[in-house]
Amino acid sequence: KQEVTQIPAALSVPEGENLVLNCSFTDSAIYNLQWFRQDPGKGLTSLLLIQSSQREQTSGRLNASLDKSSGRSTLYIAASQPGDSATYLCAAQGGNKLVFGAGTILRVKS
Amino acid sequence: EPEVTQTPSHQVTQMGQEVILRCVPISNHLYFYWYRQILGQKVEFLVSFYNNEISEKSEIFDDQFSVERPDGSNFTLKIRSTKLEDSAMYFCASSVGGGLNQPQHFGDGTRLSIL
Repeated sequence: KQEVTQIPAALSVPEGENLVLNCSFTDSAIYNLQWFRQDPGKGLTSLLLIQSSQREQTSGRLNASLDKSSGRSTLYIAASQPGDSATYLCAAQGGNKLVFGAGTILRVKS
Repeated sequence: EPEVTQTPSHQVTQMGQEVILRCVPISNHLYFYWYRQILGQKVEFLVSFYNNEISEKSEIFDDQFSVERPDGSNFTLKIRSTKLEDSAMYFCASSVGGGLNQPQHFGDGTRLSIL
């Protein structure tokens, strides 16, 4: 059974810092690894999807990497801004379903 | 940009009543999903639906739950005889295809409160 873990659970940084969020998964037989953003009381916004055959994906200030053999993914956020404050979720996809981690709550202070 | 839309945004229901949550997936998507998030807990998979039938379901998705695509645009989740523990945020998602390189796009959710 797939288990997804995210560390840290919460992170508070000053504006402008580069930061790394970590995600680990127990079953390496995945199709994709997807990163989401969730604002309080809102839905999930897809940020990046990495296929199992890929090593990384980039979108603007976001870069996600995947090491399937070790069961790890990282989300790198460059030059953080107060608007980046949200909960970041990673989800591993095997078959049709996504298995989610508990998320990292990010606060960027101005 | 096309969106997944869910109605209502908040539903309050008495325990034991039936509730139907509605979703309009993105129009060219063929795979549909329901997830739920109990307050303070992880987002959990409930069911996936393709070609008018359930393709995968979790152990949470027992006989009190059912899904339907009643027409070409709507996708519904029905909960019969609701329980207090059904209180959660329910998310609908859709994707163009299933599996490799097919991101799932989520709606804003329906907050279900069972009294």
